Amino acid sequence: AQRVTQPEKLLSVFKGAPVELKCNYSYSGSPELFWYVQYSRQRLQLLLRHISRESIKGFTADLNKGETSFHLKKPFAQEEDSAMYYCALSWHSGNTPLVFGKGTRLSVIA
Amino acid sequence: SAVISQKPSRDICQRGTSLTIQCQVDSQVTMMFWYRQQPGQSLTLIATANQGSEATYESGFVIDKFPISRPNLTFSTLTVSNMSPEDSSIYLCSANQGAGYTFGSGTRLTVV
Repeated sequence: AQRVTQPEKLLSVFKGAPVELKCNYSYSGSPELFWYVQYSRQRLQLLLRHISRESIKGFTADLNKGETSFHLKKPFAQEEDSAMYYCALSWHSGNTPLVFGKGTRLSVIA
Repeated sequence: SAVISQKPSRDICQRGTSLTIQCQVDSQVTMMFWYRQQPGQSLTLIATANQGSEATYESGFVIDKFPISRPNLTFSTLTVSNMSPEDSSIYLCSANQGAGYTFGSGTRLTVV
């Protein structure tokens, strides 16, 4: 079965410090990986998907198939990055639902 | 990507009653998905809704408790039936139109 693991429930960093939110997955095929962000009192928003290889709001994530990881990184954290971050996996994009990790709450301290 | 309008945004219901949540997508999508997000928890899939066929439910969720309709390619409803306080949660719908999965704004349900 597909599984997404986010080992950190809470991550606190100082403003300007680098950020890395960890995500590991288990799936024998070729999944599509996503990062979603949920700001306070807002709906879940797509942040990144691995196939687009974009950088959004300074965040990047690289799919490492050898380590089955898709860690989210940002070189310099900003206060507005404080939010809940969810890593998610789809095994057949569009026709299958997303499987979510438990989420990591990022708190950026001024 | 698709834009989803979900309503109601919140409701407080008496135990034993039912609530129907609606999701309208601004474009045609093959599959729609319903999730539950309990307080402080991640999203748990309830069911997958394909137009023209019965929804497929995940383990722990049954059609009698969470009936789903999918009358066309832009609309779906989820009903939470015979509610109890344990059903208090946020319910979300989702769809994918190729550019990534988008989500409704959620329905915050409180059962008293």
